[in-house]
Order: sequence, then C-alpha cells, then structure tokens
Amino acid sequence: AQSVSQHNHHVILSEAASLELGCNYSYGGTVNLFWYVQYPGQHLQLLLKYFSGDPLVKGIKGFEAEFIKSKFSFNLRKPSVQWSDTAEYFCAVTDSWGKFQFGAGTQVVVTP
Amino acid sequence: DAGVTQSPTHLIKTRGQQVTLRCSPKSGHDTVSWYQQALGQGPQFIFQYYEEEERQRGNFPDRFSGHQFPNYSSELNVNALLLGDSALYLCASSLETSGSPDTQYFGPGTRLTVL
Repeated sequence: AQSVSQHNHHVILSEAASLELGCNYSYGGTVNLFWYVQYPGQHLQLLLKYFSGDPLVKGIKGFEAEFIKSKFSFNLRKPSVQWSDTAEYFCAVTDSWGKFQFGAGTQVVVTP
Repeated sequence: DAGVTQSPTHLIKTRGQQVTLRCSPKSGHDTVSWYQQALGQGPQFIFQYYEEEERQRGNFPDRFSGHQFPNYSSELNVNALLLGDSALYLCASSLETSGSPDTQYFGPGTRLTVL
C-alpha cells in the first residue's frame, strides 16, 4: 500500500524567509505527485503537480517542487514567503488508478 | 463554470442514524471521489466512482456506500453512524482521460457532527 509522509506538522517563519516542506512517499510503481493548499476558510486547491518530464515543476504563487525518484521525495519550495502563504499544505500521491493518498499536512504560519 | 458543489454544508446526526451527502462535479468531469478529513489530518480516500460504478475503495467499512448518477453527480451514504464518523467529508471530481488519473478538484466539504 502506498503511503505519504510529511516531515513537519507545523512551520512558523517570517515574511521573506525561504520555505521548504518535505514529502516522501512509499510506492513501488509509477506515481503522480501533487501539492495541495488549503487557505484558512477555503477548500483544497491545487498548487502544482508532477506526472512526468522535468522533475522540477513550477506551480502557482511562486511555488515549485522537485521530484527525486531515487529518494522517493517531492519537496515543496518557495524562495520568499508572504503572509498570505499562511495555510495548510498537503502532499498527495496517486497510482495509475487515480487512488489518492494524502499526507497528514503541514500547517505553515508566516508572521509579518 | 461551476466548480464542485456539495450539500449540505453542515449536518448534525446522532449515533445509529444514517446520512446522505451529495456532490455535483465540476462541469465536464466524469469521475467523483470521496474523502474523509478528520480534524488535524489529511483527507482519507473513501472511494471513487466512474461510469456509475465504484472503481476504487479505501479502508472504510461497508457502512460507507455511494452512488453515481448518469449526470455524474454522486452521493455518499453512511449507515449506523458512530461518533468517530464526525469529520469533514470532501468530494473531488476529475476527468478520466486515457485511463490515467488527472487533477482532482475539491469541493468545500460537508461538516458532519455525530452526537
């Protein structure tokens, strides 16, 4: 069975700081990888996705993620965060049947 | 272009009762998945419907059942409610293309409270 592990449950950082959220998955076959974000009071939204090709993918709002197959990782990064990036971030993996497996989420708080 | 809609927004039930939650997928989408999100947790996959059939199922008991209609909308039914069923229930829709999964678009969820 596939599983997804997010390393940090809570992250607090100041505006303009760099952000990196770790995500590791456990699955032997071909996977598709996603990062979703949930802003306060809003529903889950897609941040970025990786299906194939260039392992460095760029998403909305300046976010990017790198797929490292040998490490089973898909870490999310942003060079300079803003207060509006305060949200909960979820890493997710799907197999070829589209069965999503989400991580437990990382709550990110950006202080002014 | 309407996104994924769910009803009701909130629901309060008592133990042992049955509940039905509804979902309308994003326009043009034909696949609906249901998730349970407990407080402080990530969404847990319940099942997925495509062509009116349950295609995939997560580790949920048979008390959880669903249905997809010809217009692609879907229902989630939970029987014999337990306190532990209290959660946010999310519906997500996607478009089946060439048998490969595509991006899922999530609805706002239905907050179920079981007393």
